[in-house]
Amino acid sequence: DSGVTQTPKHLITATGQRVTLRCSPRSGDLSVYWYQQSLDQGLQFLIQYYNGEERAKGNILERFSAQQFPDLHSELNLSSLELGDSALYFCASSVGAGSTGELFFGEGSRLTVL
Amino acid sequence: DQQVKQNSPSLSVQEGRISILNCDYTNSMFDYFLWYKKYPAEGPTFLISISSIKDKNEDGRFTVFLNKSAKHLSLHIVPSQPGDSAVYFCAARRSAGNMLTFGGGTRLMVKP
Repeated sequence: DSGVTQTPKHLITATGQRVTLRCSPRSGDLSVYWYQQSLDQGLQFLIQYYNGEERAKGNILERFSAQQFPDLHSELNLSSLELGDSALYFCASSVGAGSTGELFFGEGSRLTVL
Repeated sequence: DQQVKQNSPSLSVQEGRISILNCDYTNSMFDYFLWYKKYPAEGPTFLISISSIKDKNEDGRFTVFLNKSAKHLSLHIVPSQPGDSAVYFCAARRSAGNMLTFGGGTRLMVKP
């Protein structure tokens, strides 16, 4: 158990819809990262938040947005969903914004868009 | 632009033998490299890391080697055990920030 909690674990929705994925980081971790893993692909970095502020942005689509709340949990919002958005979405956390690089991952949220 | 590449999608090894997983990178700004292991239905878990100022780091059965001139790193598992069967991801970090760039993963199967 990494200490990172993601909900929901599974989500099935239709094209054009909007979903919200939630992540609670490990106790004491200030950074939250979102990664996307499409079928048989590596993990693609989407976005990082550190203590409520956006820290780094990767290949995140304009239809996607995220935020980190004062209690440090984070939400990833995916809108106008397309079939290609079907993927595993991982949240990870770390203590600082830049340390030894080790991230602690949640179990992921599997999104299926039909 | 794949800055971190794992060219072998899968590897099969006999129990007790050595497993060698390879990773190549292109960005010379990477200063820290990590290996993560992922079992089905679980998130990736950290395995071992190496700083760019070193060429080897060992932790029990796991050793990571870094060849900066070749921009290549490898993970050696000796001896391999069936429980090591998983997908292994190589990841690299740039000195600014903590964002990791991951390779595509190598599925290791250790046969009893």
